[in-house]
Amino acid sequence: DVVMTQTPVSLSVAIGQPASISCKSSQSLVHSDGKTYLNWLLQRPGQSPKRLIYLVSKLDSGIPDRFSGSGSETDFTLKISRVEADDLGVYYCLQGTHFPYTFGAGTKLELK
Amino acid sequence: QVQLKESGPGLVQPSQTLSLTCTVSGFSLTSYNVHWVRQPTGKGLEWMGIIWTGGNTDYNSALKSRLSISRDTSKSQVFLKMNSLQTEDIATYYCVRDLTNWAQGVMVTVSS
Repeated sequence: DVVMTQTPVSLSVAIGQPASISCKSSQSLVHSDGKTYLNWLLQRPGQSPKRLIYLVSKLDSGIPDRFSGSGSETDFTLKISRVEADDLGVYYCLQGTHFPYTFGAGTKLELK
Repeated sequence: QVQLKESGPGLVQPSQTLSLTCTVSGFSLTSYNVHWVRQPTGKGLEWMGIIWTGGNTDYNSALKSRLSISRDTSKSQVFLKMNSLQTEDIATYYCVRDLTNWAQGVMVTVSS
Protein backbone atom coordinates (compact mmCIF):
# COMPACT_ATOMS: atom_id res chain seq x y z
CA ASP A 1 0.00 0.00 0.00
CA VAL A 2 1.11 3.59 -0.62
CA VAL A 3 2.16 5.26 2.62
CA MET A 4 1.29 8.93 2.92
CA THR A 5 3.50 10.79 5.37
CA GLN A 6 2.21 14.15 6.55
CA THR A 7 4.20 16.76 8.41
CA PRO A 8 3.92 18.42 10.79
CA VAL A 9 1.61 16.48 13.06
CA SER A 10 0.32 19.74 14.49
CA LEU A 11 0.61 23.38 13.58
CA SER A 12 -0.15 26.49 15.64
CA VAL A 13 -0.74 29.56 13.52
CA ALA A 14 -1.97 33.08 14.28
CA ILE A 15 -4.87 34.53 12.36
CA GLY A 16 -3.67 36.17 9.18
CA GLN A 17 -0.43 34.20 9.05
CA PRO A 18 0.43 31.58 6.43
CA ALA A 19 0.49 27.83 7.00
CA SER A 20 2.01 24.96 5.08
CA ILE A 21 1.53 21.21 5.31
CA SER A 22 3.64 18.60 3.57
CA CYS A 23 2.56 15.21 2.31
CA LYS A 24 5.00 12.68 0.89
CA SER A 25 4.01 9.42 -0.74
CA SER A 26 6.02 6.22 -0.74
CA GLN A 27 5.67 5.93 -4.50
CA SER A 28 4.81 8.16 -7.41
CA LEU A 29 1.17 9.24 -7.56
CA VAL A 30 1.19 9.72 -11.32
CA HIS A 31 -1.53 7.47 -12.70
CA SER A 32 -1.20 5.59 -15.98
CA ASP A 33 -3.68 8.12 -17.39
CA GLY A 34 -1.15 10.88 -16.69
CA LYS A 35 -3.11 12.48 -13.87
CA THR A 36 -1.99 12.76 -10.25
CA TYR A 37 -4.82 11.90 -7.88
CA LEU A 38 -3.74 13.76 -4.78
CA ASN A 39 -6.44 15.32 -2.63
CA TRP A 40 -6.51 17.50 0.46
CA LEU A 41 -9.37 17.37 2.96
CA LEU A 42 -10.25 19.30 6.10
CA GLN A 43 -12.15 17.83 9.00
CA ARG A 44 -13.42 20.51 11.32
CA PRO A 45 -14.15 19.51 14.92
CA GLY A 46 -17.27 17.38 15.14
CA GLN A 47 -17.83 17.40 11.39
CA SER A 48 -17.39 15.07 8.44
CA PRO A 49 -14.32 15.65 6.28
CA LYS A 50 -14.61 18.05 3.37
CA ARG A 51 -12.46 17.95 0.27
CA LEU A 52 -10.63 21.20 -0.49
CA ILE A 53 -8.34 20.27 -3.35
CA TYR A 54 -8.15 17.52 -5.95
CA LEU A 55 -5.67 16.64 -8.70
CA VAL A 56 -2.90 18.28 -6.63
CA SER A 57 -3.96 21.89 -7.16
CA LYS A 58 -7.59 22.20 -8.25
CA LEU A 59 -9.86 23.88 -5.71
CA ASP A 60 -13.24 22.36 -5.05
CA SER A 61 -16.27 24.58 -5.55
CA GLY A 62 -16.64 27.19 -2.84
CA ILE A 63 -13.12 26.80 -1.46
CA PRO A 64 -11.45 30.19 -1.04
CA ASP A 65 -8.31 30.88 -3.01
CA ARG A 66 -6.41 31.32 0.24
CA PHE A 67 -5.90 27.60 -0.16
CA SER A 68 -3.48 26.26 -2.73
CA GLY A 69 -1.95 22.91 -3.53
CA SER A 70 1.24 22.08 -5.31
CA GLY A 71 3.68 19.27 -5.90
CA SER A 72 4.38 16.32 -8.13
CA GLU A 73 5.33 12.65 -8.10
CA THR A 74 5.82 11.98 -4.39
CA ASP A 75 6.05 15.40 -2.78
CA PHE A 76 3.03 17.62 -2.17
CA THR A 77 2.18 20.75 -0.21
CA LEU A 78 -0.98 22.45 0.98
CA LYS A 79 -0.63 26.16 1.69
CA ILE A 80 -2.98 28.59 3.35
CA SER A 81 -1.94 32.13 2.54
CA ARG A 82 -3.72 33.76 5.49
CA VAL A 83 -5.22 31.54 8.15
CA GLU A 84 -8.73 32.34 9.34
CA ALA A 85 -10.57 31.03 12.40
CA ASP A 86 -12.71 28.81 10.20
CA ASP A 87 -9.61 26.93 9.05
CA LEU A 88 -8.96 25.08 12.29
CA GLY A 89 -9.28 21.32 12.25
CA VAL A 90 -7.38 18.33 10.92
CA TYR A 91 -6.05 18.31 7.37
CA TYR A 92 -5.59 15.03 5.52
CA CYS A 93 -3.94 14.22 2.24
CA LEU A 94 -5.45 11.34 0.29
CA GLN A 95 -4.07 9.52 -2.73
CA GLY A 96 -6.49 8.07 -5.23
CA THR A 97 -3.99 6.78 -7.76
CA HIS A 98 -3.24 3.34 -6.36
CA PHE A 99 -5.56 0.85 -4.68
CA PRO A 100 -6.21 0.91 -1.84
CA TYR A 101 -6.62 4.64 -1.59
CA THR A 102 -4.70 5.84 1.45
CA PHE A 103 -4.80 8.85 3.73
CA GLY A 104 -2.08 10.67 5.57
CA ALA A 105 -2.30 10.55 9.36
CA GLY A 106 -3.47 14.14 9.54
CA THR A 107 -2.16 17.55 10.56
CA LYS A 108 -4.00 19.40 13.29
CA LEU A 109 -4.18 23.14 12.72
CA GLU A 110 -4.68 25.14 15.87
CA LEU A 111 -4.97 28.86 16.28
CA LYS A 112 -2.23 30.62 18.19
CA GLN B 1 -29.35 19.10 -3.63
CA VAL B 2 -26.88 16.28 -3.12
CA GLN B 3 -27.48 14.32 0.07
CA LEU B 4 -26.22 11.06 1.49
CA LYS B 5 -27.25 9.47 4.75
CA GLU B 6 -26.09 6.30 6.41
CA SER B 7 -28.36 4.09 8.45
CA GLY B 8 -27.89 0.89 10.36
CA PRO B 9 -27.44 -0.54 13.81
CA GLY B 10 -25.13 1.36 16.08
CA LEU B 11 -24.28 -1.77 18.03
CA VAL B 12 -23.04 -5.06 16.63
CA GLN B 13 -22.03 -8.13 18.62
CA PRO B 14 -18.50 -9.49 18.19
CA SER B 15 -18.12 -11.89 15.26
CA GLN B 16 -21.42 -10.71 13.79
CA THR B 17 -22.06 -8.89 10.52
CA LEU B 18 -22.35 -5.13 10.09
CA SER B 19 -24.94 -3.98 7.60
CA LEU B 20 -25.14 -0.31 6.66
CA THR B 21 -27.23 1.48 4.07
CA CYS B 22 -26.35 4.74 2.39
CA THR B 23 -29.42 6.42 0.94
CA VAL B 24 -28.66 9.15 -1.57
CA SER B 25 -30.65 11.88 -3.25
CA GLY B 26 -29.93 14.58 -5.76
CA PHE B 27 -27.89 12.36 -8.03
CA SER B 28 -27.89 8.96 -9.70
CA LEU B 29 -25.71 6.06 -8.59
CA THR B 30 -25.12 5.33 -12.27
CA SER B 31 -23.45 8.71 -12.67
CA TYR B 32 -21.35 8.99 -9.51
CA ASN B 33 -19.11 6.61 -7.61
CA VAL B 34 -19.69 6.01 -3.92
CA HIS B 35 -16.97 5.24 -1.42
CA TRP B 36 -17.07 3.94 2.13
CA VAL B 37 -14.56 5.41 4.57
CA ARG B 38 -14.29 4.77 8.29
CA GLN B 39 -12.70 6.57 11.22
CA PRO B 40 -12.05 5.14 14.67
CA THR B 41 -12.87 7.73 17.32
CA GLY B 42 -10.08 10.23 17.64
CA LYS B 43 -8.06 8.61 14.88
CA GLY B 44 -7.44 8.95 11.18
CA LEU B 45 -9.39 7.95 8.08
CA GLU B 46 -9.35 4.55 6.37
CA TRP B 47 -10.64 4.01 2.85
CA MET B 48 -12.71 0.84 2.72
CA GLY B 49 -13.93 0.50 -0.82
CA ILE B 50 -15.83 1.91 -3.78
CA ILE B 51 -18.73 1.00 -5.98
CA TRP B 52 -18.27 2.45 -9.42
CA THR B 53 -20.97 3.89 -11.64
CA GLY B 54 -21.07 0.64 -13.59
CA GLY B 55 -21.59 -1.41 -10.45
CA ASN B 56 -18.07 -2.82 -10.17
CA THR B 57 -16.36 -2.67 -6.82
CA ASP B 58 -12.86 -2.30 -5.43
CA TYR B 59 -11.93 -2.95 -1.83
CA ASN B 60 -9.16 -2.24 0.60
CA SER B 61 -7.13 -5.40 0.54
CA ALA B 62 -6.95 -5.35 4.34
CA LEU B 63 -10.74 -5.74 4.49
CA LYS B 64 -11.48 -7.53 1.24
CA SER B 65 -12.12 -10.95 2.76
CA ARG B 66 -14.80 -9.52 5.06
CA LEU B 67 -16.30 -6.66 3.05
CA SER B 68 -19.00 -6.41 0.44
CA ILE B 69 -20.40 -3.27 -1.20
CA SER B 70 -23.49 -3.41 -3.38
CA ARG B 71 -26.30 -1.13 -4.48
CA ASP B 72 -29.91 -0.86 -5.56
CA THR B 73 -30.05 1.91 -8.12
CA SER B 74 -33.86 1.92 -8.19
CA LYS B 75 -33.88 2.79 -4.49
CA SER B 76 -30.79 5.03 -4.64
CA GLN B 77 -29.14 2.97 -1.97
CA VAL B 78 -25.64 1.64 -1.46
CA PHE B 79 -25.03 -1.18 0.99
CA LEU B 80 -22.03 -2.12 3.07
CA LYS B 81 -21.74 -5.53 4.67
CA MET B 82 -18.76 -6.56 6.72
CA ASN B 83 -18.58 -9.81 8.63
CA SER B 84 -16.63 -11.08 11.63
CA LEU B 85 -16.70 -7.74 13.40
CA GLN B 86 -14.22 -7.15 16.21
CA THR B 87 -13.45 -4.27 18.52
CA GLU B 88 -10.94 -2.95 15.96
CA ASP B 89 -13.94 -2.20 13.73
CA ILE B 90 -15.41 0.31 16.16
CA ALA B 91 -15.56 3.50 14.13
CA THR B 92 -17.68 6.11 12.42
CA TYR B 93 -18.56 4.91 8.94
CA TYR B 94 -19.04 7.40 6.12
CA CYS B 95 -20.42 7.02 2.64
CA VAL B 96 -18.99 9.54 0.23
CA ARG B 97 -19.86 10.62 -3.30
CA ASP B 98 -16.74 10.88 -5.42
CA LEU B 99 -14.71 12.01 -2.38
CA THR B 100 -16.54 15.35 -2.53
CA ASN B 101 -19.83 14.94 -0.72
CA TRP B 102 -19.59 13.23 2.65
CA ALA B 103 -22.51 11.97 4.68
CA GLN B 104 -22.72 12.76 8.39
CA GLY B 105 -21.40 9.33 9.36
CA VAL B 106 -22.81 6.60 11.54
CA MET B 107 -21.04 5.40 14.65
CA VAL B 108 -20.72 1.65 15.06
CA THR B 109 -19.76 -0.05 18.33
CA VAL B 110 -18.85 -3.70 18.71
CA SER B 111 -19.85 -5.17 22.03
CA SER B 112 -21.72 -8.05 23.55
